[in-house]
Amino acid sequence: AQSVTQLDSQVPVFEEAPVELRCNYSSSVSVYLFWYVQYPNQGLQLLLKYLSGSTLVESINGFEAEFNKSQTSFHLRKPSVHISDTAEYFCAVKEGGSEKLVFGKGTKLTVNP
Amino acid sequence: EAGVVQSPRYKIIEKKQPVAFWCNPISGHNTLYWYLQNLGQGPELLIRYENEEAVDDSQLPKDRFSAERLKGVDSTLKIQPAELGDSAVYLCASSRSGTANTEAFFGQGTRLTVV
Repeated sequence: AQSVTQLDSQVPVFEEAPVELRCNYSSSVSVYLFWYVQYPNQGLQLLLKYLSGSTLVESINGFEAEFNKSQTSFHLRKPSVHISDTAEYFCAVKEGGSEKLVFGKGTKLTVNP
Repeated sequence: EAGVVQSPRYKIIEKKQPVAFWCNPISGHNTLYWYLQNLGQGPELLIRYENEEAVDDSQLPKDRFSAERLKGVDSTLKIQPAELGDSAVYLCASSRSGTANTEAFFGQGTRLTVV
């Protein structure tokens, strides 16, 4: 069964610092990968996704993630974070041909002034 | 386009009482998911529907949980009787089926507190 591992449960950083949130998945078949963000008391919102093609995908608010098939990873990065990026981030995976969406346990990003 | 709508947003009940949550997916989305999210954890799938058929309910505790999606549109998740450990956020999501490379859209969730 596919699984998703987010290695860091909490990541505190200072404003304008770079950040990387790690995500590894277990699957031997083709996958589709997603990062969702959850602000306090809100539902999950899609941040970015990898479906095919370029292994580097970007969001509109400066986040990017790179699909690395050999390392089965899909780490999320941002070169300079803002206070407003404080939220919980979830990595998720679908196997090709399946609608089953599996989530990691999440990483809580706290951006301090 | 309206998003996924869930109600109620919050529910407080006493243990052993029944409770029901309702979800209306995005129009045209055949796939509907119910997830359970405990505090500080990622969403865990309870049940997934393709139209009105439950295609994955292996994680649904069937002794007390039930779900239905009779006409393949909106869905209801029920707990009877509720236990203290059921306190959590229940999330509903939907996506277009037939193309696994589409994302799921989530509702705001229902926060259940069992006292």
